[in-house]
Amino acid sequence: SQTIHQWPATLVQPVGSPLSLECTVEGTSNPNLYWYRQAAGRGLQLLFYSVGIGQISSEVPQNLSASRPQDRQFILSSKKLLLSDSGFYLCASLFVRLAGGTGELFFGEGSRLTVL
Amino acid sequence: DAKTTQPNSMESNEEEPVHLPCNHSTISGTDYIHWYRQLPSQGPEYVIHGLTSNVNNRMASLAIAEDRKSSTLILHRATLRDAAVYYCILRMRETSGSRLTFGEGTQLTVNP
Repeated sequence: SQTIHQWPATLVQPVGSPLSLECTVEGTSNPNLYWYRQAAGRGLQLLFYSVGIGQISSEVPQNLSASRPQDRQFILSSKKLLLSDSGFYLCASLFVRLAGGTGELFFGEGSRLTVL
Repeated sequence: DAKTTQPNSMESNEEEPVHLPCNHSTISGTDYIHWYRQLPSQGPEYVIHGLTSNVNNRMASLAIAEDRKSSTLILHRATLRDAAVYYCILRMRETSGSRLTFGEGTQLTVNP
């Protein structure tokens, strides 16, 4: 199975400062990767997903961006944070156990961002 | 995308069965039904998935209606550790490129 590493686990940043959250995946190659945000403990909002290096699909227009510089690395960034960017950010990787199967998502432990 | 609807919250007593419903009336023929759960301050974890037939694994059972417009996640004997938010999502049968969206889920409370 896969292991998803996310860091930092906790981050407190001032408004207007930059952001970089990193996610790396072990145990698979060429995974589909996802960034989700969770506010107020319920519901996961899909932010970005990627099917390969350099391929990013954005779900919600905002001041966040994502990049995939390597096969198993997914980075979430912002040039200037807003108060509304606070939340729990989760990286996920899709694992397809059998060829043609639907796969299952493996999630990292999350990064809690507080913007002050 | 096909959407799922779940109750906001449910309560159960320890060691009793729990039936968590999910409606997905616009499901397409290629959509699999997946369930995940999220414990406090953790990322969600996979529970079970199915297409048409009922499914069982060590964590739970999944009962799928004959018309596939609804499904029920069954925890046979709830424990305190089963208290979590349960998400029902639909996933197309493909190996790449699929966006995966979650709703608000059902907050399950288990009473001792």
